[in-house]
Amino acid sequence: DIAMTQSPDSLAVSLGERATINCKSSQTILYNSDNKNYLAWYQQKPGQPPKLLIYWASIRESGVPDRFSGSGSGKDFTLTISSLQAEDVAVYHCQQYYSSPPTFGQGTKLEIK
Amino acid sequence: QITLKESGPTLVKPTQTLTLTCTFSGFSLSTSGVGVGWIRQPPGKALEWLALIFWANDKHYSPALKSRLTINKDTSKNQVVLIMTNVDPVDTATYYCAHRIVALGAYDYWGQGTQVTVSS
Repeated sequence: DIAMTQSPDSLAVSLGERATINCKSSQTILYNSDNKNYLAWYQQKPGQPPKLLIYWASIRESGVPDRFSGSGSGKDFTLTISSLQAEDVAVYHCQQYYSSPPTFGQGTKLEIK
Repeated sequence: QITLKESGPTLVKPTQTLTLTCTFSGFSLSTSGVGVGWIRQPPGKALEWLALIFWANDKHYSPALKSRLTINKDTSKNQVVLIMTNVDPVDTATYYCAHRIVALGAYDYWGQGTQVTVSS
């Protein structure tokens, strides 16, 4: 199984500031034949299911605010929130779907400082 | 509009069999490229993928749980059923079903989840 490790485990950022969450896979999740990184980011608010934010590492899901962006390739990936809003308080999860079983990171809890 | 909803028992005794049903609308599991998966989340812990069934009845299971899981679909009822045998207190979790398409790879629509407690 591919292990996904997120850092940090928790993060406190001031409103309007940038938040950065990292995700590292134990092996590459870049598929050479299509040059796609098989990585997704989800946002999970308390008592709610995960919500898809980003897929193919950098493609924003429809309706997701453009302050959310994904970057990275190979084994190292980043989710950036350019200007933190109060409604962004949540746990963020990365997930690889390069190989089965798909695996998730342990989650990063984002709070307001 | 795609929606999914999980249903099943909230309390199960150890060694019993757990049957969860995902009832969905807004898509058909007979459409090429469509799949429905199950993911669980123990209290305060990470998400764990369990199983996936595709439109052509192709089934995939978590290797760690494969011997205990069965996933089936009823296309006419718009339902996917997950059966987990010989449950243990470590199986206590919120269980989610979710929609995915092959072209997307990720799970784009999720149910609200159903909480299952395994306890005697």
